[in-house]
Amino acid sequence: GAVVSQHPSWVICKSGTSVKIECRSLDFQATTMFWYRQFPKQSLMLMATSNEGSKATYEQGVEKDKFLINHASLTLSTLTVTSAHPEDSSFYICSAKQGQDTEAFFGQGTRLTVV
Amino acid sequence: GQNIDQPTEMTATEGAIVQINCTYQTSGFNGLFWYQQHAGEAPTFLSYNVLDGLEEKGRFSSFLSRSKGYSYLLLKELQMKDSASYLCAVMDSNYQLIWGAGTKLIIKP
Repeated sequence: GAVVSQHPSWVICKSGTSVKIECRSLDFQATTMFWYRQFPKQSLMLMATSNEGSKATYEQGVEKDKFLINHASLTLSTLTVTSAHPEDSSFYICSAKQGQDTEAFFGQGTRLTVV
Repeated sequence: GQNIDQPTEMTATEGAIVQINCTYQTSGFNGLFWYQQHAGEAPTFLSYNVLDGLEEKGRFSSFLSRSKGYSYLLLKELQMKDSASYLCAVMDSNYQLIWGAGTKLIIKP
């Protein structure tokens, strides 16, 4: 299957700083990328959907100014958590798909801990 | 509204068979997915059903009934490594994935 690489795998940052998470599709063109957040023992929660070259569509309750998403190319999307706080500590996962393909492929996830 | 229901937790014995059910109510239907997720890791794809019936893939099988809004994932010859959460997700008319909360499967020796 297609490969999606997410980096970093884990990060610890101080409260008030910003953290950038990268999601790359290695062997296909990711026209659509999804960003999820998952708290312990809970299911995936979709944060936003981004189409290459367009502004991301955020789900209700997700602050677009706090979670900045950039999808400037067909192989790279980034999620920046700005002014991170301890409550932002979570597992962030991206997935990507090409065109109308039904299957989306997941990155490895990023464990963010804000101290 | 859109809703995916699956049991929170199930326990089974190594070597046995277990069936994890999923019922759904969504705005449109473009297929149902099953994913496996080990703790601390991203989900991995198991199966995709868009037509009614049973799809078999090794020890894992997935069944779909669109008229009943129902699917199940069948795991045979259970191994300890199958201990994980199993997520049911439905793709709606907008091609968005609607996720269930996941079923934590505990395998005992």
